[in-house]
Amino acid sequence: AQSVAQPEDQVNVAEGNPLTVKCTYSVSGNPYLFWYVQYPNRGLQFLLKYITGDNLVKGSYGFEAEFNKSQTSFHLKKPSALVSDSALYFCAVSEGSTLGRLYFGRGTQLTVWP
Amino acid sequence: DADVTQTPRNRITKTGKRIMLECSQTKGHDRMYWYRQDPGLGLRLIYYSFDVKDINKGEISDGYSVSRQAQAKFSLSLESAIPNQTALYFCATLRGNQETQYFGPGTRLLVL
Repeated sequence: AQSVAQPEDQVNVAEGNPLTVKCTYSVSGNPYLFWYVQYPNRGLQFLLKYITGDNLVKGSYGFEAEFNKSQTSFHLKKPSALVSDSALYFCAVSEGSTLGRLYFGRGTQLTVWP
Repeated sequence: DADVTQTPRNRITKTGKRIMLECSQTKGHDRMYWYRQDPGLGLRLIYYSFDVKDINKGEISDGYSVSRQAQAKFSLSLESAIPNQTALYFCATLRGNQETQYFGPGTRLLVL
């Protein structure tokens, strides 16, 4: 069965510092991995995805994520955090044969302090 | 205009009432999904549809039903609402030959 773990409910970081939001996954086949962000009172916005190819993927708003097959991880990173990055971040996984079904982690609340 | 819209955005109802949440999309995607979000649980799949004639149950379909009236419209019904259905509900769409789902703004439902 497919599953996603986000081990940290909350991540706090000072503005200008690098940030990392962690995600590990479990799938029975090749994983399709996604990061979504949710701002207060808003829907989910797509940030980036890994399907195949280069393990480092770049997405919106300066975010990037690294796929690590041996560690089954897909951590979200940004070199320099902004206060406006404060939001709820979800990691999600889909497996090719499940035809677009996404399995989400519980979410990580990122707070960037000025 | 938004590509995926949901109505209503907020709803308060009472236990036992029937309620319908609606989702419309202008993206031309064939696949549509309903999720619910609960604090600390992430999003869980309720139902999904690959086209008008194809409806499938997700992880937590009990107490819910859906209708795909057209390619662009996918409705979620609670036949007899109960308090533990209080949640934030999201609709999402996907083009069949792609990977990325696109989400609506959500409907916040409170069942008293």
